Amino acid sequence: EAGVAQSPRYKIIEKRQSVAFWCNPISGHATLYWYQQILGQGPKLLIQFQNNGVVDDSQLPKDRFSAERLKGVDSTLKIQPAKLEDSAVYLCASSLGQAVPNNEQFFGPGTRLTVL
Amino acid sequence: QKEVEQNSGPLSVPEGAIASLNCTYSDRGSQSFFWYRQYSGKSPELIMFIYSNGDKEDGRFTAQLNKASQYVSLLIRDSQPSDSATYLCAVNPASGGSYIPTFGRGTSLIVHP
Repeated sequence: EAGVAQSPRYKIIEKRQSVAFWCNPISGHATLYWYQQILGQGPKLLIQFQNNGVVDDSQLPKDRFSAERLKGVDSTLKIQPAKLEDSAVYLCASSLGQAVPNNEQFFGPGTRLTVL
Repeated sequence: QKEVEQNSGPLSVPEGAIASLNCTYSDRGSQSFFWYRQYSGKSPELIMFIYSNGDKEDGRFTAQLNKASQYVSLLIRDSQPSDSATYLCAVNPASGGSYIPTFGRGTSLIVHP
């Protein structure tokens, strides 16, 4: 079974530039998550999708971050414009469904973003 | 604000010892609890989950849950150097029928030979 795919793996940009990340979840997984993990901290949930609908985006900085999952499969996360404090690893995860309490998440390899 | 608290460590134990990792959470409505392991530069991977009070054992790992005290722990028996990693506690508070995961900052475990 293929895992969660993410691209690119690494990205270096200058502040005020824009960047986009792509994620393809495990086939059949209805729930998709985007996390931001700053060095030394735990993953912070940015947005959670159930199929192509948003379940939670309360911690997404909507003035600069956007995400979509148009066909309920793969997803993109965009930052525009980037700030220095956006430097982090962006993790995508998927699970079978979100309406069950023991929904194990499977993580992709992450995208390491450096903003100069 | 739903919070999950973990001591960042590092927790250093000798090889063969029991490592005890602790986590507290603020949302009493939380129903399921997860322990993930994250090696340096890698993504988190699930070790085990628990949702009933008491102990749950899987090999060298035991998760313990006490909902009254809002406390969950992970015990690693016969610790090995390969167990050296950051251990993330994740909690699923329920919100309108959905489960929104919240992670702690993780505890760094070092197992020395």
